[in-house]
Amino acid sequence: EADIYQTPRYLVIGTGKKITLECSQTMGHDKMYWYQQDPGMELHLIHYSYGVNSTEKGDLSSESTVSRIRTEHFPLTLESARPSHTSQYLCASRPPGFGELFFGEGSRLTVL
Amino acid sequence: AQTVTQSQPEMSVQEAETVTLSCTYDTSENNYYLFWYKQPPSRQMILVIRQEAYKQQNATENRFSVNFQKAAKSFSLKISDSQLGDTAMYFCAIRAVGNMLTFGGGTRLMVKP
Repeated sequence: EADIYQTPRYLVIGTGKKITLECSQTMGHDKMYWYQQDPGMELHLIHYSYGVNSTEKGDLSSESTVSRIRTEHFPLTLESARPSHTSQYLCASRPPGFGELFFGEGSRLTVL
Repeated sequence: AQTVTQSQPEMSVQEAETVTLSCTYDTSENNYYLFWYKQPPSRQMILVIRQEAYKQQNATENRFSVNFQKAAKSFSLKISDSQLGDTAMYFCAIRAVGNMLTFGGGTRLMVKP
């Protein structure tokens, strides 16, 4: 299995709360990604990073923000959660070249 | 731009039978990779198989094989001797040089005992 970890796996919070989804990988990959996926649906890229201090927005507009202070760590933050943020968030990383993506187990967020 | 289309939202197959999942794509690039990913229920997404566009030979990984038709921009996945553990969402994806990975909408496969 890939060495990429996401916490929490499941989170239920109230509207207006600030949350941070953690993602860490021990493979030394420079490239990391966040995808949003509704259950049984396709993946949408919301953020990516090509290395430390590099972050970009993906194809799907998201109110979340990310940071990349260390190579192994790529957290995603929602300053004020809303029910529309309810979804699964998948973190991934990949090695240089045409390497495959390695995914974490996902963080399933429910905002009440 | 690159796009991926999976025309079968759901499929089912009897255990030990063979099933083929369809995928078509579009890209203006000549150098790209194609992937099939598997996402079991509540579990990690993992790579099943990948194909380099410049290779004519179809990729094979144990019970999984692809039928890569470059001219037709088709990339189907064949699962032989289906097992209960093959039950999952399957995503087809493409990545060309300098581009992001683009996923299809997924096909939910149910293997029935």
